Amino acid sequence: AQKVTQAQTEISVVEKEDVTLDCVYETRDTTYYLFWYKQPPSGELVFLIRRNSFDEQNEISGRYSWNFQKSTSSFNFTITASQVVDSAVYFCALSGNSGGSNYKLTFGKGTLLTVNP
Amino acid sequence: DAGVTQSPTHLIKTRGQHVTLRCSPISGHKSVSWYQQVLGQGPQFIFQYYEKEERGRGNFPDRFSARQFPNYSSELNVNALLLGDSALYLCASSLEAGQKAFFGQGTRLTVV
Repeated sequence: AQKVTQAQTEISVVEKEDVTLDCVYETRDTTYYLFWYKQPPSGELVFLIRRNSFDEQNEISGRYSWNFQKSTSSFNFTITASQVVDSAVYFCALSGNSGGSNYKLTFGKGTLLTVNP
Repeated sequence: DAGVTQSPTHLIKTRGQHVTLRCSPISGHKSVSWYQQVLGQGPQFIFQYYEKEERGRGNFPDRFSARQFPNYSSELNVNALLLGDSALYLCASSLEAGQKAFFGQGTRLTVV
């Protein structure tokens, strides 16, 4: 079975602070994919990043960066110099192919990030 | 290019009724999946279709069914609605399973 744990339910920061959202996953697959999505109040899930299990390189995209560590089964997401527009619920998700799951997405419960001016 | 579109955006139904939700994937995407998101939780997988065939089914009762049409659009049907079916229903499309999945804005279903 696949499982994603986002231990932080809510985080509140002041604008320009850096913030890291934690994600820990469990899977028996040797090949799998990890995702981060952003869900603003409008409800639509916005794709942020997809990484495969063979690529442990950290990635930076503007103010966003991701730290993937297979040894600790973690895929953490950092926002540098946070802005009010970053306020949203952030979901970490995992997909694999074991047990006929055919790469369905398994989501964590999400972390509500509030960036205050 | 248009993104994933879902209709309707909001819906209110009475217990026991039936509902049909619709999804049009991004042009060229052949895989469509449905997710249910209850307030305060992450989305839960309901169905996945690829090339008009069901490729996966989540842990949902038989009251939930879906299909994919030749143009790759999809419908999710829920029979005998319960109060607990109130949720945001999200549709996602991707080129193939495991690829980047793009989500629609969702259909917010309220059962009263």
